[in-house]
Amino acid sequence: RKEVEQDPGPFNVPEGATVAFNCTYSNSASQSFFWYRQDCRKEPKLLMSVYSSGNEDGRFTAQLNRASQYISLLIRDSKLSDSATYLCVVNAGSQGNLIFGKGTKLSVKP
Amino acid sequence: DGGITQSPKYLFRKEGQNVTLSCEQNLNHDAMYWYRQDPGQGLRLIYYSQIVNDFQKGDIAEGYSVSREKKESFPLTVTSAQKNPTAFYLCASRIGTLQPYGYTFGSGTRLTVV
Repeated sequence: RKEVEQDPGPFNVPEGATVAFNCTYSNSASQSFFWYRQDCRKEPKLLMSVYSSGNEDGRFTAQLNRASQYISLLIRDSKLSDSATYLCVVNAGSQGNLIFGKGTKLSVKP
Repeated sequence: DGGITQSPKYLFRKEGQNVTLSCEQNLNHDAMYWYRQDPGQGLRLIYYSQIVNDFQKGDIAEGYSVSREKKESFPLTVTSAQKNPTAFYLCASRIGTLQPYGYTFGSGTRLTVV
């Protein structure tokens, strides 16, 4: 099992759609979870951290299920500017190094 | 403004040549990292450093070398031993190693072998 697995995508959705990204991780000792956004030919940028109780930032909602080792990101009312690759990121236990999923590409169309 | 500066943005290397990628941060972060990203692939860890004068190999260290003589600087040398160096190289830093903080990335260096 790969350390961090994501939906392969790509997701092509119309503006205004709701889109969900899923991610599973293999290390049960992981303590820190993040979603990053990477635009084409740019560096990844932190979108949001994921907390045990779930958290929301505007149109973005992140959820964590430790028992299933599953993380999700929901984008509501998607905008053209949301088009990017979304990376699921998990820390590798006690070392603290972050492990990046391969990402899911999202294209929002007019 | 605090951040991470990578230079150059684009770099062309001839076969058999060593090249050094620069990474400087003014965030006062302890930990620094080098990743490589190939098209359609995830980020793969090359080297990381948790403190000055100390660094560890990541998953794909062969053909690369680093130094960490100052907290602010973590240069990466791509040696001639790296047989397929064409990739997007990303430097990152983090305020601590065990804290629940994400990484901050530089804008990257695109290396091409010509």
